Amino acid sequence: AQKVTQAQTEISVVEKEDVTLDCVYETRDTTYYLFWYKQPPSGELVFLIRRNSFDEQNEISGRYSWNFQKSTSSFNFTITASQVVDSAVYFCALSFYGNNRLAFGKGNQVVVIP
Amino acid sequence: EAGVAQSPRYKIIEKRQSVAFWCNPISGHATLYWYQQILGQGPKLLIQFQNNGVVDDSQLPKDRFSAERLKGVDSTLKIQPAKLEDSAVYLCASSLIQGGTDTQYFGPGTRLTVL
Repeated sequence: AQKVTQAQTEISVVEKEDVTLDCVYETRDTTYYLFWYKQPPSGELVFLIRRNSFDEQNEISGRYSWNFQKSTSSFNFTITASQVVDSAVYFCALSFYGNNRLAFGKGNQVVVIP
Repeated sequence: EAGVAQSPRYKIIEKRQSVAFWCNPISGHATLYWYQQILGQGPKLLIQFQNNGVVDDSQLPKDRFSAERLKGVDSTLKIQPAKLEDSAVYLCASSLIQGGTDTQYFGPGTRLTVL
């Protein structure tokens, strides 16, 4: 069975602080994919990143960065110098090759205080 | 490129009534998904179509939920009769590749309230 755990439910930070969201996953498959989505108050899930199980390179995109560690089954997400527009719920998700069903975590509510 | 379109955005009904949601995927996307997102939780897949065929409906409550994707483009999700616990956001998503694994792009969702 596939499972994604996002432990922190709500995280409040002051603008310009960094925030890290933890994602721990469980799967027996050797080929799998990890995703992060952002859900702003408008409700639409916005795709942020996709990573396959063979690519452990960390990635940086602007103020966003991701740290993938297979040894600890984690795919953590950091927002650097947070802004009010980063206030949203962030979901980590997992799927395996050949089946597009996404298993989502419960999400992290990020509140950035101006 | 236009994103995934859904309508209506909001719907309020009484329990035991029927309701239908519509989704138009991104042009050219073969695979379409319906998810249910209950408040405070992550989305849960209800049904997955590849073109106009059902790939996975194992988590669809078939006694009251039904979905179709005629002609392999638009899709409709129906609930009949609705229960209080069906109050949720219903998200539609689409992806390009048939088979394998591909990124899913989501629509704005339909927020359903059952009174």
